[in-house]
Amino acid sequence: AQSVTQLGSHVSVSEGALVLLRCNYSSSVPPYLFWYVQYPNQGLQLLLKYTSAATLVKGINGFEAEFKKSETSFHLTKPSAHMSDAAEYFCAVRGSNFGNEKLTFGTGTRLTIIP
Amino acid sequence: GAGVSQTPSNKVTEKGKYVELRCDPISGHTALYWYRQSLGQGPEFLIYFQGTGAADDSGLPNDRFFAVRPEGSVSTLKIQRTERGDSAVYLCASSQRLAGGRDTQYFGPGTRLTVL
Repeated sequence: AQSVTQLGSHVSVSEGALVLLRCNYSSSVPPYLFWYVQYPNQGLQLLLKYTSAATLVKGINGFEAEFKKSETSFHLTKPSAHMSDAAEYFCAVRGSNFGNEKLTFGTGTRLTIIP
Repeated sequence: GAGVSQTPSNKVTEKGKYVELRCDPISGHTALYWYRQSLGQGPEFLIYFQGTGAADDSGLPNDRFFAVRPEGSVSTLKIQRTERGDSAVYLCASSQRLAGGRDTQYFGPGTRLTVL
């Protein structure tokens, strides 16, 4: 079984400041991990994914995340926040084995950017 | 290219009625998924199709929920005897199988279902 915990349902950062959104996972098999972003009244858009290659993953819009097995974490970061980053962010996990295709999502973190 | 599309975008129905929600996946994607997102929550898995068959329906909450994908492309999620608790955004996703299962699920905009 897999699960994710997103610490902080709401995060506010100033424009230009570092963005850090936390995600910890639990998985009975080696995991694949994903970050999705959801803008108001829109579907989910993939930001980046970890599928057992490089542990530091770079995504779209300047975001990146690092898979740390020892900490069971996959935190999302961006060096400098932009107003357009305001959205809801979801971390998700699935097992890497065949037959384990469904994604299990966290409860989301709403990111607010302060001008 | 065209992404995942879902119709209708909004559906309002009365308690006890039957509803159908449609998903058109990305052309060529063999895998199709349905999720449900309640207010303030992350999406929750309902069912997964590989081709025409349901490979995993462990997320369907009860027997009022049913989904089909008869030709391996379009899928319909069917809800009988709707209840107010069924109100949510129903999301569809599709993916192309890659080696090692490293496929990405691409999501549609969702159907917002409101049961009065």
